[in-house]
Amino acid sequence: KAGVTQTPRYLIKTRGQQVTLSCSPISGHRSVSWYQQTPGQGLQFLFEYFSETQRNKGNFPGRFSGRQFSNSRSEMNVSTLELGDSALYLCASSLGGGPAQPQHFGDGTRLSIL
Amino acid sequence: EDQVTQSPEALRLQEGESSSLNCSYTVSGLRGLFWYRQDPGKGPEFLFTLYSAGEEKEKERLKATLTKKESFLHITAPKPEDSATYLCAVQATQQAGTALIFGKGTTLSVSS
Repeated sequence: KAGVTQTPRYLIKTRGQQVTLSCSPISGHRSVSWYQQTPGQGLQFLFEYFSETQRNKGNFPGRFSGRQFSNSRSEMNVSTLELGDSALYLCASSLGGGPAQPQHFGDGTRLSIL
Repeated sequence: EDQVTQSPEALRLQEGESSSLNCSYTVSGLRGLFWYRQDPGKGPEFLFTLYSAGEEKEKERLKATLTKKESFLHITAPKPEDSATYLCAVQATQQAGTALIFGKGTTLSVSS
């Protein structure tokens, strides 16, 4: 069974630009969550989508947004990039229909802002 | 505020030297506690879910336990391939959906 796939694996952008990251969940999984991982803050929750609707949102500015498509694939967009946005962005999927189901992570997109 | 604290930050062991990693949590209501393993350049790999105090789960050399305030990941007779960062996360009942609150992890190095 294929795992969570994230593309691209690496991105280099400059300040002020915008970026779109893509995530394909495990087949049959309807929930997709996004996390930001940095050495200082660790893993922090960005948002979760379930059946094309945002179900929860973390404490990040509005420059961070996402969406989910009918096939459960998800995209995350960051506008007006800042140096502090340099991080590993991880996508995780789960069945999503009940509480405390394990989330399965992709290998992330490493975003570097110059 | 919901919070997860892991200790120690780093742990060096000799092959075969058993030890435990600690995860302390403060959460309004616990829906589940998760352990993950993360290798360099990779995403976290799911290990265990624990739901209630007193629960234990085992997988190979790893055993996870849960109390009302903390969880332990016991590593018995570790091997070099157990070297990784181990992450603990909780899902709170007050959170909609499946959002996880992570600790900052314990980096384990096992030498032969």
